[in-house]
Amino acid sequence: EAQVTQNPRYLITVTGKKLTVTCSQNMNHEYMSWYRQDPGLGLRQIYYSMNVEVTDKGDVPEGYKVSRKEKRNFPLILESPSPNQTSLYFCASTPSVGPDNEQFFGPGTRLTVL
Amino acid sequence: SQQGEEDPQALSIQEGENATMNCSYKTSINNLQWYRQNSGRGLVHLILIRSNEREKHSGRLRVTLDTSKKSSSLLITASRAADTASYFCATDTHTGNQFYFGTGTSLTVIP
Repeated sequence: EAQVTQNPRYLITVTGKKLTVTCSQNMNHEYMSWYRQDPGLGLRQIYYSMNVEVTDKGDVPEGYKVSRKEKRNFPLILESPSPNQTSLYFCASTPSVGPDNEQFFGPGTRLTVL
Repeated sequence: SQQGEEDPQALSIQEGENATMNCSYKTSINNLQWYRQNSGRGLVHLILIRSNEREKHSGRLRVTLDTSKKSSSLLITASRAADTASYFCATDTHTGNQFYFGTGTSLTVIP
């Protein structure tokens, strides 16, 4: 089944404890992206990657890191999480950048930073 | 720098009625997409309209795009209780590599 998976789905952590949220897609998509969703603010793009070893900042990159060593994986790293990073996070992928760039979303990771 | 803004924020209708939601954006786009989200779950793509298109249909969905007004509308006809969800518009930059989502319209369809 074609899908985007994220792990973990739920995570409660404490300020300053490094964490990684994994994202994997099995559709051979070139483009992958991370979003955070907060009440009243919609989805905001954190980072995106147009291909292996190519990553770029989105609208709200502060406090986050990403890597794209393989086409299928795009982990989101929080080196020193803070309470303002408590949010619902989504990973998404799309076949390529172009006129028909429909995004496929993962199920989401709900992160709470105490 | 969020581009999309949806209107209304919330909409409640009876089953069988039509639902219309609007989206406005700020800069030039490559295309505009609509997504649906059931409570707390991942977004699902509904329909994409390119910047050179004015109207598109898919089943009970009708999308219009007015690039001169930088606005789009999503019409769901003959709504069903199962259409209850949040709906988001998303635009990309003219290069197509960065996306902006609106704040969403929460639709409730009452059986």
